[in-house]
Amino acid sequence: GNSVTQMEGPVTLSEEAFLTINCTYTATGYPSLFWYVQYPGEGLQLLLKATKADDKGSNKGFEATYRKETTSFHLEKGSVQVSDSAVYFCALVGSSASKIIFGSGTRLSIRP
Amino acid sequence: DSGVTQTPKHLITATGQRVTLRCSPRSGDLSVYWYQQSLDQGLQFLIQYYNGEERAKGNILERFSAQQFPDLHSELNLSSLELGDSALYFCASSVGGRAESSYNEQFFGPGTRLTVL
Repeated sequence: GNSVTQMEGPVTLSEEAFLTINCTYTATGYPSLFWYVQYPGEGLQLLLKATKADDKGSNKGFEATYRKETTSFHLEKGSVQVSDSAVYFCALVGSSASKIIFGSGTRLSIRP
Repeated sequence: DSGVTQTPKHLITATGQRVTLRCSPRSGDLSVYWYQQSLDQGLQFLIQYYNGEERAKGNILERFSAQQFPDLHSELNLSSLELGDSALYFCASSVGGRAESSYNEQFFGPGTRLTVL
């Protein structure tokens, strides 16, 4: 079945550092891929998405490119801020499914 | 604020008991989704309702049930509670019924934290 594997945390970086959180997936067909963010004490929010190969999703300085050849959707940001501290979830929806499958989440902490 | 409300915020109960969690979707949204977030299982999809009818089912236990009412709010009923049911339960809503649609973003509520003692 479909699955998502993402980098285990926690990840701790200094402010203005470069961020990469790895995500790979297994799916048949052509899934849609997502990154969600969960700030402390809140529900999940959609951060960005990509619905076909080579698409790049971007939002709030974060980017991720849908790479079908490596079945990956890595999240990147060039210069992180303290306010980016949160848990990040990679997720997919299969081409014939109606439910979201989430990765295990990666906790990110940014030091001032 | 996503526009999705969930009550109660916290719930503490004992094993063997039954509880009901409530979710009100964003105005205009017809779909409601329930998720369970626990330390050992991660974030798992439980069930989806669309305009009052069950649309998709995930890893929902038989002790759990849900429904969506004519005013589109939804309730998740958890019975014969076990220690392992302690988790954060999220509700999400979307306009349409297909999760993969580009125009069908899911908006999450703040969650209900259930503690079973």
